[in-house]
Amino acid sequence: QKEVEQNSGPLSVPEGAIASLNCTYSDRGSQSFFWYRQYSGKSPELIMSIYSNGDKEDGRFTAQLNKASQYVSLLIRDSQPSDSATYLCAPSPSNDYKLSFGAGTTVTVRA
Amino acid sequence: KAGVTQTPRYLIKTRGQQVTLSCSPISGHRSVSWYQQTPGQGLQFLFEYFSETQRNKGNFPGRFSGRQFSNSRSEMNVSTLELGDSALYLCASSLGPSGVTEAFFGQGTRLTVV
Repeated sequence: QKEVEQNSGPLSVPEGAIASLNCTYSDRGSQSFFWYRQYSGKSPELIMSIYSNGDKEDGRFTAQLNKASQYVSLLIRDSQPSDSATYLCAPSPSNDYKLSFGAGTTVTVRA
Repeated sequence: KAGVTQTPRYLIKTRGQQVTLSCSPISGHRSVSWYQQTPGQGLQFLFEYFSETQRNKGNFPGRFSGRQFSNSRSEMNVSTLELGDSALYLCASSLGPSGVTEAFFGQGTRLTVV
């Protein structure tokens, strides 16, 4: 089982729609969860951190965490063409200092 | 506040050569992690340094090495370059231990081995 699994893409959504990205992880001890956005040819950019079960909203982004299910998601509301990128999920490690990333989900927002 | 700075941004090397990449973390950050990113493998963890100590190493051959200086700046070295080492090398800095606190990436060094 992979440490971090994300829904396979690419995910194509029309402008103004909601993009839903999912991530499951195998480390039950993970306490912190990070979402990164990576534009083609650029480096990853941290867009959301979540530490507690439930929802966390930041602008058009909402992260949802369920530690019991080992599941974290990211919703992008009112998707814009500028949201077209690859989104990477990274749960914190519980017993080492190796932050592992999922393979990423590529989102394309159609104008 | 300055971000994470990686130098150089681009490199072209010949097989068999060695290369040194540099990473200056955000001021005050003590942890630096290095990653290799290729289209087929995604982001692969290389190593993590905190206060000059390497605390974790990924599954890479011994040709890949690194170090961290007292000012938290870090370097990674790849010896005897192979074609497969062509990749984007990223470093990320964080205030505390990697994975516990938020990590911020530099712009990366794109290495091409010919």
